[in-house]
Amino acid sequence: DTGVSQDPRHKITKRGQNVTFRCDPISEHNRLYWYRQTLGQGPEFLTYFQNEAQLEKSRLLSDRFSAERPKGSFSTLEIQRTEQGDSAMYLCASSPGPTWVTEAFFGQGTRLTVV
Amino acid sequence: GQNIDQPTEMTATEGAIVQINCTYQTSGFNGLFWYQQHAGEAPTFLSYNVLDGLEEKGRFSSFLSRSKGYSYLLLKELQMKDSASYLCARGGNTPLVFGKGTRLSVIA
Repeated sequence: DTGVSQDPRHKITKRGQNVTFRCDPISEHNRLYWYRQTLGQGPEFLTYFQNEAQLEKSRLLSDRFSAERPKGSFSTLEIQRTEQGDSAMYLCASSPGPTWVTEAFFGQGTRLTVV
Repeated sequence: GQNIDQPTEMTATEGAIVQINCTYQTSGFNGLFWYQQHAGEAPTFLSYNVLDGLEEKGRFSSFLSRSKGYSYLLLKELQMKDSASYLCARGGNTPLVFGKGTRLSVIA
């Protein structure tokens, strides 16, 4: 297994367009997380999945954001009607569970630029 | 990030030792993690502490005091490649909550 992979690595979109990002976690990991990171800040939690169930969503995740993990494997994060403030690095991470005292492994991220 | 505080920037000399401090909110605490992040790259796991004391992994060590809500990351024999951001993250009964990171510059 080559670790967590994200696609695309970079995305430039016009304001108002919809974008979708994909994350493939480490295969035996049942927890998957989405974080957002802006320049000079640490990763901010957006949402996470335990298998296919979305168990927690941050207040940062407005109704323009939706995430899915339909079969408990890969996940997608969609942003509708993008705004310039959505420009950030979107990081996906996975961990084996079931306890919380285990490190999360991050993908390389998708850098979104909204123009 | 939920009252996780760490210095914004630090500078240290190649070959020296540097200590990066982190304080965090103690309620619901379940573990303290340190990640390294080079510019434009993903965070990579360095260490975690669940119990009080020092955990050593080569040139890197991490310390935890649960009663004080305090941790530090100690980097010894600094190398230029250690220039990066170091993220303190608090584990609880929720996904990791990260601090803003400490940008470390190692100079010759």
